[in-house]
Formats: sequence, C-alpha cells, structure tokens
Amino acid sequence: EADIYQTPRYLVIGTGKKITLECSQTMGHDKMYWYQQDPGMELHLIHYSYGVNSTEKGDLSSESTVSRIRTEHFPLTLESARPSHTSQYLCASSTGLGTDTQYFGPGTRLTVL
Amino acid sequence: RKEVEQDPGPFNVPEGATVAFNCTYSNSASQSFFWYRQDCRKEPKLLMSVYSSGNEDGRFTAQLNRASQYISLLIRDSKLSDSATYLCVVNLNTGGFKTIFGAGTRLFVKA
Repeated sequence: EADIYQTPRYLVIGTGKKITLECSQTMGHDKMYWYQQDPGMELHLIHYSYGVNSTEKGDLSSESTVSRIRTEHFPLTLESARPSHTSQYLCASSTGLGTDTQYFGPGTRLTVL
Repeated sequence: RKEVEQDPGPFNVPEGATVAFNCTYSNSASQSFFWYRQDCRKEPKLLMSVYSSGNEDGRFTAQLNRASQYISLLIRDSKLSDSATYLCVVNLNTGGFKTIFGAGTRLFVKA
C-alpha cells in the first residue's frame, strides 16, 4: 500500500471561501502531483512538483496554487472557491526514477455551494 | 488526437469470461507503460507494469507492441470484483518524464 494521505476526504464549503487541501507522503518521493477528476471522467493534471521549491502548472488550467516547502508535503490552495471547483482532487507521488510509477492518495471530494 | 487512446466501453461480460482491452499511444518517446485500476469514486491503483517481453500476474496478462504502439490487458476467468475502470498509462521521456493517463475502459462483470 502507498503511504500517501489526503485531508480532508470530503469538504462542503460556500462560495468565496479560501480552502487548502492537504497531501502528505512518507515514501520520500521527489515528485508530487495534483489531479482533478469529475465523476466518470478522465484525470486532468493541474499541478506538479519535481522537488522542494519546484512547482509547475499542469495540462489543465486551474485557479488553484500549490507550494512545496517540504519533500513530504504538497498542499493545494483555492483562494476563493466557486461552484465550478466542485470535483475530486487526487494527489499522487513518484520517485522520479526508473519507471517512475505514480501512487495515489484517497482523494478529496470538494463541493462548493 | 489524444496521446493515449482507449475504447471507453463499457464492456459487459459474464463471470468466467475472458476479456481484453487495447490501448494505443502516439509518441514514440514512450518509455514505460502501466495498467491502473480505478473503482467508482476511488483513487487509481497500480494493477501492473507492462514490460517489453510481456508479463503475467495471476489472471492478468499485459503485453506491449512497440512496433504498432499499443499495449493490451487480458483478464481471464473474470470475477465480479474485476468490475472497474482500467486506465492505460504511458511515461514519456522527452527531457523530463511526463505521464499520460488514458481516459479508461469500463468493465462490468455480471453474475
């Protein structure tokens, strides 16, 4: 089992609120990722990081921001939540070496009213 | 054209059936290949890596055809618990690794 954790698992929040989704991994992986996935739809990469102090935007434009101050921690922040942000957010990590297999956290299901 | 393409299905098969999925990729810089399984409203989980020589894990067999740029997954003796979405995943090496997830193939195994 992968040691990657996300909190909260479920979040219902009103429009305009600032939220931070937490992601932590204890595997010492250098690379971390955030994906957005709507029910029954494909994964979309929104942010990734190669290591501490490295962050990049993914393929899907997102109004969220991320930070990577510590290897094990990769939080995602929405400054002002909107109903269009309602989705599942999945965090993943990988070693960046060899086959670079990604391991996923359980996800945060976000609903913005 | 998407870089990784899968038939979305759904594939509806009876228990005990053999079912096969294909996945095509367009970038010849693709270096490593995987099948992930995703249950409804859950996170994707690695099912198996796909090696050039082909590999088997119990009822699951994965194969890679570099010349035709496709990978396949064969499930023998399907179980109800195999019902899920199967994601084809390709890692590109174009200076830095990039991972491409397919949209997935849905499988329903019925009693």
